[in-house]
Amino acid sequence: KAGVTQTPRYLIKTRGQQVTLSCSPISGHRSVSWYQQTPGQGLQFLFEYFSETQRNKGNFPGRFSGRQFSNSRSEMNVSTLELGDSALYLCASSVPTGAINTGELFFGEGSRLTVL
Amino acid sequence: KNEVEQSPQNLTAQEGEFITINCSYSVGISALHWLQQHPGGGIVSLFMLSSGKKKHGRLIATINIQEKHSSLHITASHPRDSAVYICAVSSTGNQFYFGTGTSLTVIP
Repeated sequence: KAGVTQTPRYLIKTRGQQVTLSCSPISGHRSVSWYQQTPGQGLQFLFEYFSETQRNKGNFPGRFSGRQFSNSRSEMNVSTLELGDSALYLCASSVPTGAINTGELFFGEGSRLTVL
Repeated sequence: KNEVEQSPQNLTAQEGEFITINCSYSVGISALHWLQQHPGGGIVSLFMLSSGKKKHGRLIATINIQEKHSSLHITASHPRDSAVYICAVSSTGNQFYFGTGTSLTVIP
């Protein structure tokens, strides 16, 4: 069974630009969640999608958005990039048993974004 | 105050030692996760639990819901266990919180 695939793995952007990251979950997993990891703040929850609907959202500004397609693939977008958005962005897929992220999480390798 | 607190932050052990990492949380939870992250970023889920105890090989995870505390134990530690171990919780308020991680180094 293929794992969670994130693309691109690395990217460099400049302030003010926008970026779109993609996450393909494990086949059969309908929940995809996104996380930001930085040296200063550690891991933080961005949002979770289930069956094309955003179920939950962390404490991030509206510049961070996402969506999920009918095949469960998900994208996240960050607009008007700031230097502080430089981070490793991870997604995870799961078969949720109920509420947010109550299924075992399977993580992708992440997309490392550098904002110059 | 962080919703999830882990201790210790750093841990060095000799190969073969018994290791315990602790996690305390302040919110109501649906589930608690123990994650392992190796250098380079990849995260692997070790356990997801909402009560009691789970065991997988040399790893054991326990949770006490009343005390809002969980522990991850590694028996007979090995250098390949060197990694960052992260506790995370799915809260009943539909949020997801992470601890700051415990960096474990096992010396041969």
